[in-house]
Amino acid sequence: DAGVIQSPRHEVTEMGQEVTLRCKPISGHNSLFWYRQTMMRGLELLIYFNNNVPIDDSGMPEDRFSAKMPNASFSTLKIQPSEPRDSAVYFCASTERAGGPEDTQYFGPGTRLTVL
Amino acid sequence: AQSVTQLGSHVSVSEGALVLLRCNYSSSVPPYLFWYVQYPNQGLQLLLKYTSAATLVKGINGFEAEFKKSETSFHLTKPSAHMSDAAEYFCAVSGNNDMRFGAGTRLTVKP
Repeated sequence: DAGVIQSPRHEVTEMGQEVTLRCKPISGHNSLFWYRQTMMRGLELLIYFNNNVPIDDSGMPEDRFSAKMPNASFSTLKIQPSEPRDSAVYFCASTERAGGPEDTQYFGPGTRLTVL
Repeated sequence: AQSVTQLGSHVSVSEGALVLLRCNYSSSVPPYLFWYVQYPNQGLQLLLKYTSAATLVKGINGFEAEFKKSETSFHLTKPSAHMSDAAEYFCAVSGNNDMRFGAGTRLTVKP
């Protein structure tokens, strides 16, 4: 299996621009998670989906952030408009079962976002 | 609610020495506990996990961790450090639908 795929791997944009990050989970996995990693705040859960349905988006920092999962094999995280404080590494992860707390999360390689 | 606390943001050991990375958890339900490793510019990878089957859990690369309910701990150990073990290590707890990660411990291995 190719694992979790994220694109782009690196994104540099200017403040105010729209940014879209993409994730393809492992085939057959039923939960998907978006995380943000920064030096200051560590690894933060932004939102997760079970069977393509958003379950908990309480970690989304503000309305500028939105996430969708139109089907089982694709998810996007959008920031509009972007700000310099959004600079971070964004990870996507997936698990085999929906709502299985003992399941291993499989992480993608991350997208390093820099907002100038 | 669940949380984990990793004691020590940086740990440095000599090659061949014991590795001990500390993690304490807090959970209102029986916890599932995990250790993940992150190498530079990569995503997190599972080292091992505790799911109540056995208190001593063996993982990849010679790592193991022991679940101690009385101490609410899940410390990670390896008898002999290798240069390739240099990375950041994250403890995590899951009791409901989401997983909470600790702040991470950066392990440095000196030759």
